[in-house]
Amino acid sequence: GDSVTQMEGPVTLSEEAFLTINCTYTATGYPSLFWYVQYPGEGLQLLLKATKADDKGSNKGFEATYRKETTSFHLEKGSVQVSDSAVYFCALLNTNAGKSTFGDGTTLTVKP
Amino acid sequence: DAGVIQSPRHEVTEMGQEVTLRCKPISGHDYLFWYRQTMMRGLELLIYFNNNVPIDDSGMPEDRFSAKMPNASFSTLKIQPSEPRDSAVYFCASSFRSGGLTYNEQFFGPGTRLTVL
Repeated sequence: GDSVTQMEGPVTLSEEAFLTINCTYTATGYPSLFWYVQYPGEGLQLLLKATKADDKGSNKGFEATYRKETTSFHLEKGSVQVSDSAVYFCALLNTNAGKSTFGDGTTLTVKP
Repeated sequence: DAGVIQSPRHEVTEMGQEVTLRCKPISGHDYLFWYRQTMMRGLELLIYFNNNVPIDDSGMPEDRFSAKMPNASFSTLKIQPSEPRDSAVYFCASSFRSGGLTYNEQFFGPGTRLTVL
């Protein structure tokens, strides 16, 4: 079945540091890939997505590229801010079903 | 757009009581999902509906849990009787298919924090 494996946390960085959170997946067919972010006390919200191989999703300085050959969708940001502190979830949506498969989440803390 | 609406936001109850959580999806969305989030188990899909019909309830932990979607704008998740191990944050999410073919991302509600004493 479908599965998503993401980098274990927690991750602690200083402000303006470079961020990478690794995500790899296993799926049949051609899934869409997503990164969701969850701020304290809130529900998950979409950060970015990519629907086919080699697509790059980007939003708020975050980027991720859909790599079919390595079945990966790593999240990156060049310079993190304290306000980026949150839990980040990688997810896939297989086109033969309506439900998504989520990773376990990675907690990011950015210190001033 | 008001987004996905959940009520109540917080619920504290005693073991053995019935608990009903409510969700109003985004208008026009035809998929609705119920999740449970805990520190120990992370985010778990409990059940999801398509056009008000339950599609997959394999994540429902046991018979104490039930979910209904009587119409396109309302769903409930009921726990009867409740137990302390049911304490968690319960999220409702909705999504839609565009053009009848393409699945899209999920929109999550703010969650209901349930505490069973």
